[in-house]
Amino acid sequence: GENVEQHPSTLSVQEGDSAVIKCTYSDSASNYFPWYKQELGKRPQLIIDIRSNVGEKKDQRIAVTLNKTAKHFSLHITETQPEDSAVYFCAASRYSGGYQKVTFGTGTKLQVIP
Amino acid sequence: NAGVTQNPKFQVLKTGQSMTLQCAQDMNHNSMYWYRQDPGMGLRLIYYSASEGTTDKGEVPNGYNVSRLNKREFSLRLESAAPSQTSVYFCASSEPGASTEAFFGQGTRLTVV
Repeated sequence: GENVEQHPSTLSVQEGDSAVIKCTYSDSASNYFPWYKQELGKRPQLIIDIRSNVGEKKDQRIAVTLNKTAKHFSLHITETQPEDSAVYFCAASRYSGGYQKVTFGTGTKLQVIP
Repeated sequence: NAGVTQNPKFQVLKTGQSMTLQCAQDMNHNSMYWYRQDPGMGLRLIYYSASEGTTDKGEVPNGYNVSRLNKREFSLRLESAAPSQTSVYFCASSEPGASTEAFFGQGTRLTVV
């Protein structure tokens, strides 16, 4: 089955600096890579996603890159703000057997220091 | 739209007790999922229902059963709770097909003592 590794597990940055979270996956059939943000005590919510036919996607201060050959993808947050503090999960997904088979990484706890 | 709604939000059980976690979605999604979240382990799939009338095991199904009551509702049952089942449980739903977002409920924090 799919295996998704996520690093680092914790990350502290000064406000205004950039943060990068990296993930690798094992199943070459995975073709959809969402990133979820989970604030303390809240539900995970999608912040950005990328499909396998795209190498990079940006949405304001966040961007995701995908290297299909190397099977890794990364989340980049620029000009970090205290409200970016949360746990971030990457995931690798493919459609199989009538459902979206999603495997999550183990999460990165991001702390933005004011 | 309420999205995905779970009940209860918190629960404390004694070892051996049973309970059912309720989940309902109003987005007309065909697929529904139950995950558990433990520190340092991310979200692990317990059971899923690709469509109404079907259910299948995920990564960690032992000790759980599910029922897809109708298109809206997908329940998770613990027949005999164990301390190892202490976790936060999330229900999610999505449309089947490639590249679709999963929408999560607010979670149920379960403690088994």
